[in-house]
Amino acid sequence: AQSVTQPDIHITVSEGASLELRCNYSYGATPYLFWYVQSPGQGLQLLLKYFSGDTLVQGIKGFEAEFKRSQSSFNLRKPSVHWSDAAEYFCALANQAGTALIFGKGTTLSVSS
Amino acid sequence: EAGVTQFPSHSVIEKGQTVTLRCDPISGHDNLYWYRRVMGKEIKFLLHFVKESKQDESGMPNNRFLAERTGGTYSTLKVQPAELEDSGVYFCASNYGQGRAFFGQGTRLTVV
Repeated sequence: AQSVTQPDIHITVSEGASLELRCNYSYGATPYLFWYVQSPGQGLQLLLKYFSGDTLVQGIKGFEAEFKRSQSSFNLRKPSVHWSDAAEYFCALANQAGTALIFGKGTTLSVSS
Repeated sequence: EAGVTQFPSHSVIEKGQTVTLRCDPISGHDNLYWYRRVMGKEIKFLLHFVKESKQDESGMPNNRFLAERTGGTYSTLKVQPAELEDSGVYFCASNYGQGRAFFGQGTRLTVV
C-alpha cells in the first residue's frame, strides 16, 4: 500500500541553525513527491516537488529536498532557519502528476530565538 | 489571480445537523479535490472532480457525505447528518491538467 511516514511530530530548532525534516514513503515505483507547508490560518503551500531527474530539488524559501531511492526517503532541508519558518510541514506523494495526494501526518516546526 | 477560496472558514454545528462547505477553485482549473484532516491524523483524500464529473470518490467515508460540482465551477460538500467524528479541517485544492495543485485555507468543522 502507498503511504508516507513523517517520523517526527514536532521539532524545535534554534534560529539560524540547520534543519532536516524526515520523510519516508512506501510505493512500488518512483512516485511523485512533494513538500507542503502550512502556516497558521493559511492554506497548504507547495515548497517543492520531485518528478524525475536530478535527485536534489530546490524549492522556495531556501528549502531543498533530496530523493534517495535506496532509502525510500525525501528529506527536506534548509541550511539556516528563520523564525518565519515556524509552521507545519507535510510530505506527500502521488502516483502521477495531477492526481490525488497521499500525505504524511505532518511535522510541526518551532523556531527558538 | 485569486486563489482557492473556501467558505466558511469555521463552522460549529450540533450532531445530527446538516452542514454545507463550499470551495471556489481557481478559474479555469478543471481538477478539484477535497481532503480532510481529522485532529492528530494525516490529511486524507476524499474525492476528485474533473470538471463536473466525479473522477475518484474512493475516499468518501460514507453516504452521509455528498459532493457536487454543478457546471464544473465551484463545489459543495454536504454532510448530513453530521456526526462527532466528522470534525476536522476540510481542504479543497484545484489544478489544471497535471499542473501543481493550489490549496484553500480550509474549513474547520466542529460537531458538538
